[in-house]
Amino acid sequence: QVQLVQSGAEVKKPGASVKVSCKASGYNFIAHYMNWVRQAPGQGLEWMGMINPSGGYTSFAQKFQGRVSVTRDTSTSTVYMELSSLTSEDTAVYYCARNPYGAGSYFEYWGQGTLVTVSS
Amino acid sequence: EIVLTQSPGTLSLSPGERATLSCRASQSVSSTYLAWYQQKLGQAPRLLMSGVSNRATGIPDRFSGSGSGTDFTLTISRLEPEDFAVYYCQQYGRLPTFGQGTKVEIK
Repeated sequence: QVQLVQSGAEVKKPGASVKVSCKASGYNFIAHYMNWVRQAPGQGLEWMGMINPSGGYTSFAQKFQGRVSVTRDTSTSTVYMELSSLTSEDTAVYYCARNPYGAGSYFEYWGQGTLVTVSS
Repeated sequence: EIVLTQSPGTLSLSPGERATLSCRASQSVSSTYLAWYQQKLGQAPRLLMSGVSNRATGIPDRFSGSGSGTDFTLTISRLEPEDFAVYYCQQYGRLPTFGQGTKVEIK
């Protein structure tokens, strides 16, 4: 069965970077786009960006352009999201979410979420 | 960017009642690329509906979706205790966006 297992909670200081991983299993890793979505405490869902694991093509929401990087390691079926120049407003749960096929698709499977806390 | 506005913010209903949730887009959503998700406290969102009205695997038929263009609706025909949660709509065109959510709470 499809599983997306994310790395554990992180605590970072303002100005630092965080890298969250999402290890996929149970399907052909390179056949499905992967997205990153975040949710601040008590708030709604916010799409950050996506990657095509086949060729590494990425696309990001304008809000995060220049501050987020999404990469993949096909040998371990893992996608990484790195967010830099953290502020307290980046405190959130970060989810990876898989498309059923290419870009322009809904999010069929979700990871369990990773809490990132930014605090001095 | 397509902005999605959900209403109401909170819906207070009793088990067995009908729930009607609205999602309005700032511009036409292309090719019926509209989905709904359910999220319970402390859990990841779960896909309910894609393509406006196609239920995801395992979703009971008391959930139904409708609409086109800029106006969409999620209906829960008879609320079960496990349906009390937050619901989000999403358009999944080139740059996906979510609505701010509707909380369905027990009256």
